[in-house]
Amino acid sequence: DVKVTQSSRYLVKRTGEKVFLECVQDMDHENMFWYRQDPGLGLRLIYFSYDVKMKEKGDIPEGYSVSREKKERFSLILESASTNQTSMYLCASRGPGVGELFFGEGSRLTVL
Amino acid sequence: GENVEQHPSTLSVQEGDSAVIKCTYSDSASNYFPWYKQELGKGPQLIIDIRSNVGEKKDQRIAVTLNKTAKHFSLHITETQPEDSAVYFCAASKNDYKLSFGAGTTVTVRA
Repeated sequence: DVKVTQSSRYLVKRTGEKVFLECVQDMDHENMFWYRQDPGLGLRLIYFSYDVKMKEKGDIPEGYSVSREKKERFSLILESASTNQTSMYLCASRGPGVGELFFGEGSRLTVL
Repeated sequence: GENVEQHPSTLSVQEGDSAVIKCTYSDSASNYFPWYKQELGKGPQLIIDIRSNVGEKKDQRIAVTLNKTAKHFSLHITETQPEDSAVYFCAASKNDYKLSFGAGTTVTVRA
């Protein structure tokens, strides 16, 4: 059974803290994505990676960075968390070409 | 960039009735249109998709229609059941990495 695993389901952080969100997939997919989900706004793409050490900005990259050192792992980093980054973060992976995205269960981040 | 609008934002239907969700997109070059279902506490999951060379696609109680001229596509769920209660997202893409999502529709099936 294919699986995308996000390391933390719930996190509470303080303003200014550095936050790491980890994602691991077991499908040997080249493509991995980080989305942010907010009510009324749907899913918005933060960053994606199409290969190890490669990354591309999505629609809302400001305040975020990513790391992909290994094919199966894609990390989202908030260098200095702010309250407007309180949200649900979803990681996804996809094989080559255009097709199904496989999502993790999400990480709900609250920044106080 | 691509802009996907989705209506309605909430939908309540009686069990056994049909549910219809509509989406419009702005970029005429888009050619891939998936629908995702998100159950409470879970990530979205693909339920059906359609490509621009097809006008309609069915999978059991779910169907999607596409009108490329009008730039809109719809999800139809027939004979709704309680397990159909979820948030549904439409999306559009033009053969690249980027999938643009609608804002979502919360569907509630009343027993």
